[in-house]
Amino acid sequence: DSGVTQTPKHLITATGQRVTLRCSPRSGDLSVYWYQQSLDQGLQFLIQYYNGEERAKGNILERFSAQQFPDLHSELNLSSLELGDSALYFCASSAGTGFGYTFGSGTRLTVV
Amino acid sequence: GESVGLHLPTLSVQEGDNSIINCAYSNSASDYFIWYKQESGKGPQFIIDIRSNMDKRQGQRVTVLLNKTVKHLSLQIAATQPGDSAVYFCAENKPGGFKTIFGAGTRLFVKA
Repeated sequence: DSGVTQTPKHLITATGQRVTLRCSPRSGDLSVYWYQQSLDQGLQFLIQYYNGEERAKGNILERFSAQQFPDLHSELNLSSLELGDSALYFCASSAGTGFGYTFGSGTRLTVV
Repeated sequence: GESVGLHLPTLSVQEGDNSIINCAYSNSASDYFIWYKQESGKGPQFIIDIRSNMDKRQGQRVTVLLNKTVKHLSLQIAATQPGDSAVYFCAENKPGGFKTIFGAGTRLFVKA
């Protein structure tokens, strides 16, 4: 157990639907990062939050949004889902910048 | 643009041999580099890191080498074991940067 908790582990939904992925960071970590990993692909950075504030944005689609709550857990919202959104979505946390990340085990999203 | 890439997408080694995984990065301002290991169905796991004021850092059976002149990073695994079979990602972070950029990954196969 890495200390980063992601739920759900698996999600199957239809095109056009909306889903919410949840992440609880490791205790003491203030930064939360979201990454998307398509089949046999690298990790694409989506967005980062630090202590509730958005700090960096990557190639995140306008259909996707995220937030970090006062208790530091984060949610990634994916709407108007398309087949191409099927992927593993990882959350990672760190104490701050300049440190290695601790990753969760991911949420596997399948859009049918 | 910013990119961190890997020279070889797959690497096959005999059990007991040493493995070398290479990585090129393009941003000379990056000051922190990390190697992650991702086993099938799991999230990436931190292996070892190195800061730009160092050329070499050793861990347990792993060594990271940094050549800033040619912007090259490598991960050496000594006495490779079947449990080392995984995808390995290099990643870079810029000073004050709030996101880590991951390379595409190298899949390591260890033959028994």
